[in-house]
Amino acid sequence: DAKTTQPPSMDCAEGRAANLPCNHSTISGNEYVYWYRQIHSQGPQYIIHGLKNNETNEMASLIITEDRKSSTLILPHATLRDTAVYYCIVRVAGLIGDSSYKLIFGSGTRLLVRP
Amino acid sequence: SAVISQKPSRDICQRGTSLTIQCQVDSQVTMMFWYRQQPGQSLTLIATANQGSEATYESGFVIDKFPISRPNLTFSTLTVSNMSPEDSSIYLCSVDLAGENTDTQYFGPGTRLTVL
Repeated sequence: DAKTTQPPSMDCAEGRAANLPCNHSTISGNEYVYWYRQIHSQGPQYIIHGLKNNETNEMASLIITEDRKSSTLILPHATLRDTAVYYCIVRVAGLIGDSSYKLIFGSGTRLLVRP
Repeated sequence: SAVISQKPSRDICQRGTSLTIQCQVDSQVTMMFWYRQQPGQSLTLIATANQGSEATYESGFVIDKFPISRPNLTFSTLTVSNMSPEDSSIYLCSVDLAGENTDTQYFGPGTRLTVL
């Protein structure tokens, strides 16, 4: 069962920031939030992940609320190549011992970047 | 990151037959995963395949239908057995790469399967 809720679609203008929201109100204290994106007909691409603190890398920023029940992925300057489905994912413990885990994919947000 | 390849990239098969999908990674990894993505849907985890042990299947997936092999640290196969049109999906493998803080999965390009 998905542990995240995302809007099905969004759009933004090229060059502007894209802010993609995600609700994960049932997240547990040791479960990470991951973001991936999938461009048509390709495998998902890792973007960023975090636990409590805000994170930034060369692709995006991840803002996690203090209660950890929601987060926002920020693409600071969206380009046409950022058009994709963006998945907000919760990483949960797996079935095989302490080190295993699994990613529970939600339904994703289809982001369209307009020229 | 890692370079992950899958073979075949796509196939069209007849119902009742089986197809084996290969996943090759360019570095040694402990955990590999197999996912299914049905048309227009998100990804669903089929099983986790650790080298040296039997694959662990998620609810709704069974070994008789999706047997998995993991002979070494760089390779795995998923077989889709006795196929029906409902098995038409993209099948993806991923690998776990341990980073400084926690683990990250990297995905292969997928195998697009159509069952007639």
